[in-house]
Amino acid sequence: EPEVTQTPSHQVTQMGQEVILRCVPISNHLYFYWYRQILGQKVEFLVSFYNNEISEKSEIFDDQFSVERPDGSNFTLKIRSTKLEDSAMYFCASRRQENSPLHFGNGTRLTVT
Amino acid sequence: SQQGEEDPQALSIQEGENATMNCSYKTSINNLQWYRQNSGRGLVHLILIRSNEREKHSGRLRVTLDTSKKSSSLLITASRAADTASYFCATVSFYNQGGKLIFGQGTELSVKP
Repeated sequence: EPEVTQTPSHQVTQMGQEVILRCVPISNHLYFYWYRQILGQKVEFLVSFYNNEISEKSEIFDDQFSVERPDGSNFTLKIRSTKLEDSAMYFCASRRQENSPLHFGNGTRLTVT
Repeated sequence: SQQGEEDPQALSIQEGENATMNCSYKTSINNLQWYRQNSGRGLVHLILIRSNEREKHSGRLRVTLDTSKKSSSLLITASRAADTASYFCATVSFYNQGGKLIFGQGTELSVKP
């Protein structure tokens, strides 16, 4: 069965550094998402992406965050200048059409020191 | 906020027993979905119930939806140790059907052999 794949599985970075989290959604999916989960807390929506543009973003997704789908297969999340509070699991998800289930990757654990 | 509470926050049962988890939400929805998360892993879709449905079954899972009370329940029958995981409900707003899923806080289920 097709999967959403995320790399790396774990990223350690220093405060102030830029990080890029990578995702390969399922190939025929049209809607793409990033969520994050701080340890022990709920899964929070960051951003949705459809038709090559951001369709919705949360308050968390400030100017330090950006997303890109550079080549029709990868979907990346960039954090320009990481803060300690950005430490979390970041999940990429995709779906084929509206109101269908999301397919999640296994996440990237980001640790900011 | 679109999402309400899940209860219980944690549930511990013996193998073979049934597990019931509840979810409440605040706004009108298009559909409600249940996901499972094993520790440190991505979320796996279990079942989707639309706002015009009242009950749905999938294997040992039974989901109910009461839109008048804005609540849903997930029943896992004849639980197994392998069912140990966190379970989350998530809603899609009636007003934003192509949009994001909003997750609840989750119920941590522990099934003891």
